[in-house]
Amino acid sequence: AQTVTQSQPEMSVQEAETVTLSCTYDTSESDYYLFWYKQPPSRQMILVIRQEAYKQQNATENRFSVNFQKAAKSFSLKISDSQLGDAAMYFCAYRRGTTSGSRLTFGEGTQLTVNP
Amino acid sequence: DSGVTQTPKHLITATGQRVTLRCSPRSGDLSVYWYQQSLDQGLQFLIQYYNGEERAKGNILERFSAQQFPDLHSELNLSSLELGDSALYFCASSSTGGGEKLFFGSGTQLSVL
Repeated sequence: AQTVTQSQPEMSVQEAETVTLSCTYDTSESDYYLFWYKQPPSRQMILVIRQEAYKQQNATENRFSVNFQKAAKSFSLKISDSQLGDAAMYFCAYRRGTTSGSRLTFGEGTQLTVNP
Repeated sequence: DSGVTQTPKHLITATGQRVTLRCSPRSGDLSVYWYQQSLDQGLQFLIQYYNGEERAKGNILERFSAQQFPDLHSELNLSSLELGDSALYFCASSSTGGGEKLFFGSGTQLSVL
């Protein structure tokens, strides 16, 4: 079974600084996708970024980028120029790359605090 | 706004009761997923439907059931409710059952008293 581990229950960053959230996963599959979701106090689950395992290039979305290390099964999220609105719970998630039925498996989450 | 609509937003009920949570997926999305989020168990996958058929099952209790209707909306039925069923229940949708993005609704907060 696939597992996703986020070893940092809490992180904090100063406004305008950079922070990196860690995630590791375990799978025997070769075709899969990795995601970071953000859950602010409103509790809405918001997709931040997605990475296809077959792509070597790291995904980037504005101030958010990932460091995908396939051999190490590591998938970290870097937030640059942190803003107060980035404060949220961040979840790393894994999904098999199949059309036959594929759930998202989530990590435990990292609570990010942004200090002004 | 993700385009996924969940009703009701809040539900308060008593132990032993039955409730129905409703989800309308994004326009054009064929696949619907149900997740439960609780403090002690995190985000748990319950069940997935694709175009009306059950596609995958996760940690769903026998007291819980779901279905997807021809218009693609889905309902999650929770019966014989227990205190431990109190949680935030999310519905998500995607265009197919593959590796593309899932878009989540705002959730239904269930409180069992």
